Amino acid sequence: DAGVIQSPRHEVTEMGQEVTLRCKPISGHNSLFWYRQTMMRGLELLIYFNNNVPIDDSGMPEDRFSAKMPNASFSTLKIQPSEPRDSAVYFCASSFSEGNSPLHFGNGTRLTVT
Amino acid sequence: GDSVTQMEGPVTLSEEAFLTINCTYTATGYPSLFWYVQYPGEGLQLLLKATKADDKGSNKGFEATYRKETTSFHLEKGSVQVSDSAVYFCALSGGTSYGKLTFGQGTILTVHP
Repeated sequence: DAGVIQSPRHEVTEMGQEVTLRCKPISGHNSLFWYRQTMMRGLELLIYFNNNVPIDDSGMPEDRFSAKMPNASFSTLKIQPSEPRDSAVYFCASSFSEGNSPLHFGNGTRLTVT
Repeated sequence: GDSVTQMEGPVTLSEEAFLTINCTYTATGYPSLFWYVQYPGEGLQLLLKATKADDKGSNKGFEATYRKETTSFHLEKGSVQVSDSAVYFCALSGGTSYGKLTFGQGTILTVHP
C-alpha cells in the first residue's frame, strides 16, 4: 500500500504566483481532506470531498484558494495568487467514509511564499 | 458543535518517565475517538483508537480509555523513550458522515535521555 501521495514535497514561490498542490489518495478510499498546518493556527481543515464531490469548503480561507477532485485517484489544491501568509504545510488525507474509519495522511507539501 | 480540548504543552520528560496527555471532548451522539502522532517532517499517523465507551485503545505501549462519563480519552504510557518525541493529537469522529475528524490543538512531547 503506497499510502497517500502528495507532490511536491517542498514548494518555494514568489508572491503573486500560482501554486498547485497535488494529492493521490489511497485506492478505494472515498473521502479526501485538505488540511493546512501552521505554528500559529495549528491544523485547519480547508475542504473535504466524498465520492469526488465537495462536501464542505467553509475552511477555505478566501477566493484565492480552490480545490478539485476530477476523479477518485487525484485531487488538487490551487492558490492564485499566492501570498506570504499562505506559507504553511498542506496535508492531504483520505479515508473510507464510515464514522470510525481513521484518516491516512500524506507527508505534506511545505509551501514557502516569498 | 463537536470539539476536542487537549492539555497545553509542551511536555518535557526524562526517558522512562510516565506520560499522561489529557484530552476531553464535546460531541453529540456516540463519537469514535483517536490519538494521532506526528513525527518531525511527516504527516499524522494513527496511534490508537476506541469506538465505544469503556473501550481501551493501545499501540506501541500507549493506551487510552474511552470514558463517556467524564468525556475523556487521556493518553498514557508507562515509560517513554527519546523516540516518542513528537506532536500528539486527540481527535473525534462524530455523528456526521464522510469520515471527517475534529482535532485538538496538539501537544508537543520532548523526551530527554
